Amino acid sequence: GAGVSQTPSNKVTEKGKYVELRCDPISGHTALYWYRQSLGQGPEFLIYFQGTGAADDSGLPNDRFFAVRPEGSVSTLKIQRTERGDSAVYLCASSPSGGHTGELFFGEGSRLTVL
Amino acid sequence: SQQGEEDPQALSIQEGENATMNCSYKTSINNLQWYRQNSGRGLVHLILIRSNEREKHSGRLRVTLDTSKKSSSLLITASRAADTASYFCATNQASGNTPLVFGKGTRLSVIA
Repeated sequence: GAGVSQTPSNKVTEKGKYVELRCDPISGHTALYWYRQSLGQGPEFLIYFQGTGAADDSGLPNDRFFAVRPEGSVSTLKIQRTERGDSAVYLCASSPSGGHTGELFFGEGSRLTVL
Repeated sequence: SQQGEEDPQALSIQEGENATMNCSYKTSINNLQWYRQNSGRGLVHLILIRSNEREKHSGRLRVTLDTSKKSSSLLITASRAADTASYFCATNQASGNTPLVFGKGTRLSVIA
């Protein structure tokens, strides 16, 4: 596909469960970002990958959150022991170059609901 | 932490009118970007203005940047119902390699 693809589009889970959210960036984009958006708010930064490595994970709220990008393309955001406060839309974005200066290309998001 | 703050939070106008949204920020920036988000969708990049630029145009969009006042405005001329969306400013801070920080957005409703 031409754009950033995120799956699942919707995920409902129970408190305490483990969740994985997947992001497939635009082909050739080296930089990948995860943001979280709560209702009525702007996106909040979680983590940024340049290639396979996490160049900046300063936005991860706690150690229940973890993300990987093992081959420098697809990324998975992993949330352990989910809490109701984790409910939000998780947005993935990619960029052709690194750093935080350029335009971001966003996916449609994965809406997570923790019951 | 919130860097950009949009104003107003919500705006309702008639089709054909102009819509103006403002963004204020706190620290020096490298650039400022505006994004649009339709309900339930991802964000779409509209325009990027660098700190050494004062005004930029793209179709019906006009963005201004006043670094002395730490503010930017987005003007949409001759609005259409399809412009109904939330609009976010995002800033890239000048100090350090810090992530793009988004404001809370302005919800624009264009009534046909």
